[in-house]
Amino acid sequence: AQKVTQAQTEISVVEKEDVTLDCVYETRDTTYYLFWYKQPPSGELVFLIRRNSFDEQNEISGRYSWNFQKSTSSFNFTITASQVVDSAVYFCALLSGGYNKLIFGAGTRLAVHP
Amino acid sequence: GAGVSQTPSNKVTEKGKYVELRCDPISGHTALYWYRQSLGQGPEFLIYFQGTGAADDSGLPNDRFFAVRPEGSVSTLKIQRTERGDSAVYLCASSRLEVAGDTQYFGPGTRLTVL
Repeated sequence: AQKVTQAQTEISVVEKEDVTLDCVYETRDTTYYLFWYKQPPSGELVFLIRRNSFDEQNEISGRYSWNFQKSTSSFNFTITASQVVDSAVYFCALLSGGYNKLIFGAGTRLAVHP
Repeated sequence: GAGVSQTPSNKVTEKGKYVELRCDPISGHTALYWYRQSLGQGPEFLIYFQGTGAADDSGLPNDRFFAVRPEGSVSTLKIQRTERGDSAVYLCASSRLEVAGDTQYFGPGTRLTVL
């Protein structure tokens, strides 16, 4: 079975703090893809990153960084020096088994306070 | 360029009525997906189109739900005899390639409320 777990339901931080959002996935497939999406209060899902199972290199994009570890089936997301505009619900998602349907976690609501 | 668009943005209907939700994918995207998001949850897959055909409709909850994409572009999700439990945000996404793993880009969603 394929599953994504985001254990943190809500996180509250003060601006400029670093914050890490956890994502643990389950799949028996050797080829799979992992995604992070941001859902701001407006409701639209915004794509952030896509990684395939064969590329374990960590990635950095500005204040955002991702840590992919196959040994622990985790794909964690860190925001450095958080800003109020980062306040949103963040979803981790898995796509595997040759299928095209995304399996989403329940999401983590991040609130960044000034 | 333009993103995925969905109409209407909000739809309020009465129990038992029929509704249609429309999705216009990103130009040139051949794959189209429908998801449903209930309050406080992640989106759940409903159906996936490759071109005009439904390649995977395993997520449709029952036979009251049906989707079409007659010309391989715009898609319509149809719900018959709506029930209060159908209330949710219906999200549409599209992707450029008809291969597994391609990034899906989402529209703003249609919020359906069944009274």
